[in-house]
Amino acid sequence: AQSVTQLGSHVSVSEGALVLLRCNYSSSVPPYLFWYVQYPNQGLQLLLKYTSAATLVKGINGFEAEFKKSETSFHLTKPSAHMSDAAEYFCAVRGGPYSSASKIIFGSGTRLSIRP
Amino acid sequence: ETGVTQTPRHLVMGMTNKKSLKCEQHLGHNAMYWYKQSAKKPLELMFVYNFKEQTENNSVPSRFSPECPNSSHLFLHLHTLQPEDSALYLCASSQEDLAPKGNTIYFGEGSWLTVV
Repeated sequence: AQSVTQLGSHVSVSEGALVLLRCNYSSSVPPYLFWYVQYPNQGLQLLLKYTSAATLVKGINGFEAEFKKSETSFHLTKPSAHMSDAAEYFCAVRGGPYSSASKIIFGSGTRLSIRP
Repeated sequence: ETGVTQTPRHLVMGMTNKKSLKCEQHLGHNAMYWYKQSAKKPLELMFVYNFKEQTENNSVPSRFSPECPNSSHLFLHLHTLQPEDSALYLCASSQEDLAPKGNTIYFGEGSWLTVV
């Protein structure tokens, strides 16, 4: 069975500082991995996804994530935080190129706060 | 605008009421989903429909009744709900085939349900 663990339910950084949101996955096969963002009173929006091509994936709004098989991690980073980045971020895992599993499994989310 | 539209955005209902949530996707996808998002809980997958056929019911109580008349529309009929059913209900869609290739799931903005 696949799963994801997001370390830290709440992360607070200063505006302009590095953002690092951690995600570790568990999967018996190479997985597909996703990061979604949820702004207040809105649904989830895809930030980026890894589908077994380049291990460093660039997404929208300056975010990127690196797939590290040896560490079973897919951490999300942004060099310089902006006030508008304040939101809930979800890591998710789904099947893989050698898997027929179709269910997407979400982590419990990390709330990102930005200090002025 | 994600291409997935949910109505109503907010709903307050009594425990004896019957109401419905509606979802429409304009993306030409063949799979649709209902998720429940409660405070401090991971996203819970409720139902999955592929080509109008229900392919997953994640042990959801019968007071929640889904309906998928076609690939573009999905309903969630609500009847004799409990206060603990108050949550954000998210509809989503994706393009699926026999071997999912990291297909993105697109979410609507959600319907906030309060049961009184």
